[in-house]
Amino acid sequence: DAGVTQSPTHLIKTRGQHVTLRCSPISGHKSVSWYQQVLGQGPQFIFQYYEKEERGRGNFPDRFSARQFPNYSSELNVNALLLGDSALYLCASSPTTGGAGGYTFGSGTRLTVV
Amino acid sequence: AQRVTQPEKLLSVFKGAPVELKCNYSYSGSPELFWYVQYSRQRLQLLLRHISRESIKGFTADLNKGETSFHLKKPFAQEEDSAMYYCAFYQAGTALIFGKGTTLSVSS
Repeated sequence: DAGVTQSPTHLIKTRGQHVTLRCSPISGHKSVSWYQQVLGQGPQFIFQYYEKEERGRGNFPDRFSARQFPNYSSELNVNALLLGDSALYLCASSPTTGGAGGYTFGSGTRLTVV
Repeated sequence: AQRVTQPEKLLSVFKGAPVELKCNYSYSGSPELFWYVQYSRQRLQLLLRHISRESIKGFTADLNKGETSFHLKKPFAQEEDSAMYYCAFYQAGTALIFGKGTTLSVSS
């Protein structure tokens, strides 16, 4: 099992640009959630998707959007990038939306906005 | 607001000493609580969850609903325990809510 894979691992963008981050969950897991981790802070919840439907949204502006595909992989999109969007973006997969199944995290995408 | 508080940013202990990483939560329902660990240059990984009442790598955590706490404990710290530890709870509609984390440093 490949685990949760995220791509790219690192990228640098300019303010105002758009970025797409990708996540492939563990085989058999139907839920994907996204988190933003700023240096020195714990991960902050952005979105959760289950069976291609949004099941939860954190306190992030509308510049952040996501979707889940029929194969359960997911994309996180961020428009009009700001310097403050620089962070590690983590994807986690779980069998369902509940907590009992546990969440398995990917290694993350390090986004730097200059 | 629902939140998790980890009051210590850094905890330094000597090898063989007991460890207690504190976690308090604010949640009106019955929480599902977790401890996650992140070793240097590795991904965030689940250490334990309160519903399974298991012991992983010698760590245990007991849910105290009266004190709304879920402290992580280990009787004898090892150098390989040095890492960042996050307490988290699951809330329907928001997946995992994390604390800010505590860095555990174990020295010989």
